[in-house]
Amino acid sequence: TQLLEQSPQFLSIQEGENLTVYCNSSSVFSSLQWYRQEPGEGPVLLVTVVTGGEVKKLKRLTFQFGDARKDSSLHITAAQPGDTGLYLCAGAENQGGKLIFGQGTELSVKP
Amino acid sequence: DAGITQSPRHKVTETGTPVTLRCHQTENHRYMYWYRQDPGHGLRLIHYSYGVKDTDKGEVSDGYSVSRSKTEDFLLTLESATSSQTSVYFCASGGPPNWFSGNTIYFGEGSWLTVV
Repeated sequence: TQLLEQSPQFLSIQEGENLTVYCNSSSVFSSLQWYRQEPGEGPVLLVTVVTGGEVKKLKRLTFQFGDARKDSSLHITAAQPGDTGLYLCAGAENQGGKLIFGQGTELSVKP
Repeated sequence: DAGITQSPRHKVTETGTPVTLRCHQTENHRYMYWYRQDPGHGLRLIHYSYGVKDTDKGEVSDGYSVSRSKTEDFLLTLESATSSQTSVYFCASGGPPNWFSGNTIYFGEGSWLTVV
């Protein structure tokens, strides 16, 4: 069974601070995805990383896929209250259609 | 947004009764998924489908069954609901798992189920 461990589970910071969320596994994934979820809604895809060592940027968000394709990180620069939400990583298995999620990181950015 | 809808959105049911949740998508996606979301567990995969009448188990499939008789519909049935199945259920759909082409999975808005 492929498992994804996400850390930290909860993060409360002040506006303007930087933060990093980690997503780790002992398994290799064909790709990793990051989602953001608002209360009462379904998750929305932010980015997909597919190549070991790949780095993608989305405005103030930087996503990295580990060289061995077992882990990923999400770094937010100068966090804003609008970044508040639940961030989820998800790994796609090498064969088949399973998409497995981590436990999520609840981020709160206070003004 | 992809056309993916779940019904019912909210339901309260009694222990021991069967419950069916419906997921409908209008994007002709091949893959469909059912997840449950509980505090501290993120999203856990219950079952998924890779085509009409083709389904497979996920991480937490015990007590759940699924059916997919048409591309657009994926049904999740709780055969005999228990209090431990009180949760928020999310359906999702997407193209083939050719993640290299950046296929996206789209989620429904969730179904809140309470088993009393």
